[in-house]
Amino acid sequence: AQKITQTQPGMFVQEKEAVTLDCTYDTSDPSYGLFWYKQPSSGEMIFLIYQGSYDQQNATEGRYSLNFQKARKSANLVISASQLGDSAMYFCAMREGWAAGNKLTFGGGTRVLVKP
Amino acid sequence: EPEVTQTPSHQVTQMGQEVILRCVPISNHLYFYWYRQILGQKVEFLVSFYNNEISEKSEIFDDQFSVERPDGSNFTLKIRSTKLEDSAMYFCASLENRVTDTQYFGPGTRLTVL
Repeated sequence: AQKITQTQPGMFVQEKEAVTLDCTYDTSDPSYGLFWYKQPSSGEMIFLIYQGSYDQQNATEGRYSLNFQKARKSANLVISASQLGDSAMYFCAMREGWAAGNKLTFGGGTRVLVKP
Repeated sequence: EPEVTQTPSHQVTQMGQEVILRCVPISNHLYFYWYRQILGQKVEFLVSFYNNEISEKSEIFDDQFSVERPDGSNFTLKIRSTKLEDSAMYFCASLENRVTDTQYFGPGTRLTVL
């Protein structure tokens, strides 16, 4: 089974509108972390937002917010007031438990194109 | 703001040659990682490194791969005998500690094996 699933391969959004990117995860470990990264066409991976499994409130970072629904195992990213510079690939990732490596497992990504 | 740096940004090599990819993690970070991303695919974990030893490695990280932290700042990934399928973007990442729980990635090295 996939650990991280992003079901939207690509989507368009109108400038200044909000967009929600879906992410579901699968783990039996009670301690985990969920992350969203942005990858523009230049290729770098930019950290956007983090949600810990024990966090009571949804994470927010500027225009980014994470809609964390623990029972549904979903961690959707909401980008408000989209800008042209938001056009990029977005990856959801999970750190599962506290195994020695603390590795991240990534989803397949969602490509967002912001239209003017 | 501190950042992870990687050199070179692009490396072209012939099949069978050795390559060394270099990374300088953020200075107070304790955990170091290599990931790779084959063009158009998801990011895959290769190896993690903590306290001067490998703490976890994936099945991709076979005997052709090795990592080293030769001094207090550099973190390297060596591929001994490159294959065509090693062509990918290689990302270095670092993590300060388990409390901060956020890995920061370098800009990547694009490796092309001909």
